[in-house]
Amino acid sequence: EPEVTQTPSHQVTQMGQEVILRCVPISNHLYFYWYRQILGQKVEFLVSFYNNEISEKSEIFDDQFSVERPDGSNFTLKIRSTKLEDSAMYFCASSEWTVGETQYFGPGTRLLVL
Amino acid sequence: DQQVKQNSPSLSVQEGRISILNCDYTNSMFDYFLWYKKYPAEGPTFLISISSIKDKNEDGRFTVFLNKSAKHLSLHIVPSQPGDSAVYFCAASSTGNQFYFGTGTSLTVIP
Repeated sequence: EPEVTQTPSHQVTQMGQEVILRCVPISNHLYFYWYRQILGQKVEFLVSFYNNEISEKSEIFDDQFSVERPDGSNFTLKIRSTKLEDSAMYFCASSEWTVGETQYFGPGTRLLVL
Repeated sequence: DQQVKQNSPSLSVQEGRISILNCDYTNSMFDYFLWYKKYPAEGPTFLISISSIKDKNEDGRFTVFLNKSAKHLSLHIVPSQPGDSAVYFCAASSTGNQFYFGTGTSLTVIP
């Protein structure tokens, strides 16, 4: 069964450093998403992406964040200058269409900012 | 942000019995609802969905009920199995893009 994959599974970085989290969505899916879950808190939406553009973003997704689909398979989340509060589990998801279509999640990348 | 609430942080059920997980929301514009199951250190796994044009959707042992007037949905698992033990999240959206998640209910099914 097709699945969303994410790399790395764990990332430790120093505050102020840039990190890039990678995702390979399910191949025939057109919509891509990033969510995060801070330890002990809710899963929170960051951004959705379609046709090489951001289609929706939350208040969390500020100028420190960017997303990109650099090729036909990868979808990346970049955090330019990490802060301690960016430490979280980051989940990538994809869906075939939109408007209520099921979003399939990857296993997540655990980011720890020191 | 308390748009989606799961007021029961945990639930224990005997194997073979029904598990009922509840979810309340405040935004009347929500039209799409998903239930996910999550194991530790894994991503959420989709279980079942419902849109506002329906009040019930069934898939095997899983049934989701939606009461739009009460802004309430519930997930029924029957019969419950030990492998169902996990954290269950409901999620809701008005656009179908940005889903708001509840805080989750940890279900333990006792053999």
